[in-house]
Order: sequence, then structure tokens, then C-alpha cells
Amino acid sequence: AQTVTQSQPEMSVQEAETVTLSCTYDTSESDYYLFWYKQPPSRQMILVIRQEAYKQQNATENRFSVNFQKAAKSFSLKISDSQLGDAAMYFCAYRIHSGGGADGLTFGKGTHLIIQP
Amino acid sequence: EAGVAQSPRYKIIEKRQSVAFWCNPISGHATLYWYQQILGQGPKLLIQFQNNGVVDDSQLPKDRFSAERLKGVDSTLKIQPAKLEDSAVYLCASSHRRGSGNEQFFGPGTRLTVL
Repeated sequence: AQTVTQSQPEMSVQEAETVTLSCTYDTSESDYYLFWYKQPPSRQMILVIRQEAYKQQNATENRFSVNFQKAAKSFSLKISDSQLGDAAMYFCAYRIHSGGGADGLTFGKGTHLIIQP
Repeated sequence: EAGVAQSPRYKIIEKRQSVAFWCNPISGHATLYWYQQILGQGPKLLIQFQNNGVVDDSQLPKDRFSAERLKGVDSTLKIQPAKLEDSAVYLCASSHRRGSGNEQFFGPGTRLTVL
């Protein structure tokens, strides 16, 4: 079974600074997808960024970028120029490339990100 | 485009009672998921539907949980009878089609408290 581990229950960063959230995963598959989701307080979960395992290039979405190390099974999220609106729970998630079969997400326990003004 | 709708938003029941949650996915989304998120943890998949058929229910506690998706649109998740450990947020998500890169869109969730 696949597992996702987020070892940082909470992180704090000053506004405008850069922060990196860690994620490791365990799988025997070679083809899969990795995601970072953001869950603001009392609001619904939204996708931040997605990485396809067969792509060597790290994904980037504006201020958000990932460092994907397939051999190490590591998938960290870097948030640059942190803003107050970035405060939320961040979940790392894994999904096998199912080819049309079961494709539910496996989530880590999350990292609570605090932005200090 | 309207998002995933869920109701009720909050529910408090006594243990051994029954409860049902409703989900309306984004229009045109064939795939629907129910997740359980216990406080302090990440969501855990309970069941996945493709149209009105079940794709994966391997983590659904079938002795007390049931789910259906009649006509391939709305879905209901039922717990009967509820236990204290069922206290959690139940999240519904939908995606346009199966395919591992497709984004899942989440609803606001139903927060269940079992006393």
C-alpha cells in the first residue's frame, strides 16, 4: 500500500519570506502523480500544484514550486514571497496512474502553515 | 461554474443513530469520491463512483457505511449505526473523468459529531 508522510505538523514563516514543506512517500509503482492541496480554515480543499512522476522537470505555479526527487521518493513544496492568504493546512497526496481504474488520493497528515505578519 | 455542493454542513447525533449525507458534483463530472477526514489527519478515501457504478470501496466499513449514486449524478453516504469514532468531516469530490492527472474538486464537507 502506498503511504505519504509529512513530518512537519506545523511551520511558521514571516510574510514575504520563503518556506519549504516536506513530503515523502512510499510506493512500488513507477508511474504516478503527486499533488499538494491547500485547505484554508473552514474552507474547501483546493489544488495547489501537480507533478507527474515521469516528468523530470519540477512543476511550478506562480509562487509555488516543487522539488521532486523520484529516487528519494521526496516531494517538497516551496512557497516564495509568502502572503497572509497562504495560511492553511497543506496536504501532500499521491495517486497511482491507474489507466482508468481506481484513482483515489492517498493523503499525508498535513502541515499547518502559519504566516507571521 | 458551480462547485461541489454538500449538505448538511454540520450534523450532531447520538451513537447508534443513523445519518445521511448528500453530495451534488460539478455538472458533467462522471467520477465522484467520498473521503473521511478525522481531526488532525488527512482525508481517507471511502468510495469512488464512475457514473453510477462503484470503482473502489475497499476502505468503506461496509458493516455500517453505505453509499449510492443513483442516475450517476447526486450521491448519498449513510452511516447506520454511528459510532463515536465516526466523528469526522466527510468530503465529497468530483472529477471530469477517471485519469490520474485529472483534478479532483472538493466540496465544503459535512462535519459529523457523534456523542
